[in-house]
Amino acid sequence: SQTIHQWPATLVQPVGSPLSLECTVEGTSNPNLYWYRQAAGRGLQLLFYSVGIGQISSEVPQNLSASRPQDRQFILSSKKLLLSDSGFYLCAWSVDLGRAGNTIYFGEGSWLTVV
Amino acid sequence: GQQVMQIPQYQHVQEGEDFTTYCNSSTTLSNIQWYKQRPGGHPVFLIQLVKSGEVKKQKRLTFQFGEAKKNSSLHITATQTTDVGTYFCAVTNQAGTALIFGKGTTLSVSS
Repeated sequence: SQTIHQWPATLVQPVGSPLSLECTVEGTSNPNLYWYRQAAGRGLQLLFYSVGIGQISSEVPQNLSASRPQDRQFILSSKKLLLSDSGFYLCAWSVDLGRAGNTIYFGEGSWLTVV
Repeated sequence: GQQVMQIPQYQHVQEGEDFTTYCNSSTTLSNIQWYKQRPGGHPVFLIQLVKSGEVKKQKRLTFQFGEAKKNSSLHITATQTTDVGTYFCAVTNQAGTALIFGKGTTLSVSS
């Protein structure tokens, strides 16, 4: 069966410090990978998605970047964190969403507080 | 890009009362999915609707897809405290490569 892991689960970072959140998926090949952010009152905002190694699509301009160095690894990064980067970050995976019946599976999430 | 509006943002009910959340799109949808996020947890898939006018039931939950495939609803009959959480609708983007979520409806239930 497929599993998704993301870490760290919680972190507190000072403004201006770098960020690295990592996500890995097991039990499937060539998954679509996603990073979402959940801030209070704003629902689930799609940040990045990737349909293959080295292929990253950014949905919103922001202080963050994503990379996919391996098929089942997805990394969310920032060089200098802002207070507004605080939130709950969720990694997710799916197979082809263009086919009816395929859904998205989320990791446990990472709580980021920028102070 | 694809967007979906979801209302209400918050709903508080007494245990035993019914609850409904609605999602609307300005464009025709190929399908719509519903997810539930328990407090402190991550969203979990509930159901997908594909056909015009489709109605699906999961115990006390009833999901509907509009005839024009532009709106959907989730109705919970006789809410229980275990129903608390945030309910999201989600639609695929035009490329079929990502899910775009509504802002969610957060349900609280008092006993």
